[in-house]
Amino acid sequence: GDSVTQMEGPVTLSEEAFLTINCTYTATGYPSLFWYVQYPGEGLQLLLKATKADDKGSNKGFEATYRKETTSFHLEKGSVQVSDSAVYFCALSDQGGSNYKLTFGKGTLLTVNP
Amino acid sequence: DTAVSQTPKYLVTQMGNDKSIKCEQNLGHDTMYWYKQDSKKFLKIMFSYNNKELIINETVPNRFSPKSPDKAHLNLHINSLELGDSAVYFCASSRGRIEAFFGQGTRLTVV
Repeated sequence: GDSVTQMEGPVTLSEEAFLTINCTYTATGYPSLFWYVQYPGEGLQLLLKATKADDKGSNKGFEATYRKETTSFHLEKGSVQVSDSAVYFCALSDQGGSNYKLTFGKGTLLTVNP
Repeated sequence: DTAVSQTPKYLVTQMGNDKSIKCEQNLGHDTMYWYKQDSKKFLKIMFSYNNKELIINETVPNRFSPKSPDKAHLNLHINSLELGDSAVYFCASSRGRIEAFFGQGTRLTVV
């Protein structure tokens, strides 16, 4: 079945540091890939997405590139801010299957200190 | 206007009680979901409905019963609540298989 593996946290960085959160996936079909963010006490918000190989999703300074050859979708940001502190989830939606669902990684807690 | 809204936001109840969580979306989406987030933040699909038809039921105990009266609503009823049901429950919606939009969550605490 489908699965998503993302680096375990917690990740603690200083403001303006470079961020990478690794994500790899296994899917039977040809998935769409997503990063969601959950701020403390809130629901999940879509951060960025990519629907085909070599697509780059970007939003709010975050980027991730769909790499089919390495089955990866790593999240990066060049300079993090305190306001980026949240839990980040990598997820996939298998476009080829008949099931309508997102499969999530376990989440990575990011804390950015001033 | 909130795109996906669920009520209540917090729910504290005793073991053995029956409770419901309501969800409404105003995005015109055809697919709605319930996800459960455990204490370690892990998210798992519980149910998926497409055009009011149950598509996914991920081995959830039959004490959990979803109801979709129309495409804009997907409610979750839970019978005989147990301590292990304590979690955050998220409703979500999407248009087909593209990105899902999530509600703010309902934190259920069973005491």
